[in-house]
Amino acid sequence: NAGVTQTPKFRVLKTGQSMTLLCAQDMNHEYMYWYRQDPGMGLRLIHYSVGEGTTAKGEVPDGYNVSRLKKQNFLLGLESAAPSQTSVYFCASKLRVRGGDNNEQFFGPGTRLTVL
Amino acid sequence: QKEVEQDPGPLSVPEGAIVSLNCTYSNSAFQYFMWYRQYSRKGPELLMYTYSSGNKEDGRFTAQVDKSSKYISLFIRDSQPSDSATYLCAMSDRGSTLGRLYFGRGTQLTVWP
Repeated sequence: NAGVTQTPKFRVLKTGQSMTLLCAQDMNHEYMYWYRQDPGMGLRLIHYSVGEGTTAKGEVPDGYNVSRLKKQNFLLGLESAAPSQTSVYFCASKLRVRGGDNNEQFFGPGTRLTVL
Repeated sequence: QKEVEQDPGPLSVPEGAIVSLNCTYSNSAFQYFMWYRQYSRKGPELLMYTYSSGNKEDGRFTAQVDKSSKYISLFIRDSQPSDSATYLCAMSDRGSTLGRLYFGRGTQLTVWP
């Protein structure tokens, strides 16, 4: 099992350019999440999905869009990149367990994005 | 005020020292408490998982939860250079069907030989 993988690992964009970050998981998890991690800020939730075809906003959704067309993939899009979106982006996934007794999220290796 | 507060450090200790990492929180509905370890340029990995109050031990690591004080701790005994990483506390409430986690900012730990 590869677990959670993210593509690309690194990217440099110019202000105004667009790009899509791809997250894939092979654990058959229902829930998937996108976070950004900035120095001194910890992990902040951007968007999440509780199943194929469903997405919802997290803590810092502005400037991002997401899609979950297949259960194993969760895409994060930046339509018009801004320097404030320079960050490390992590994808995570979680198995849905009745009663909410298992909250472990499995993380990918991250994508380092720089917007000039 | 963030729901979860964690001193970012950095914390630097000699090999063999006992390390204490802490978080406080404000949401009394939190029932599940986790510690993630994140090595440099890697994704976070779950280290310890506890439910409600009490202690949990796993090798050199002990997690404590004091719900009355809204305070959780992670102790590392006989610390090793390989323990050098950022430690993130995370928590969620019972019945959260979304599985949403609330993270602290992370504490950067360096253990020097």
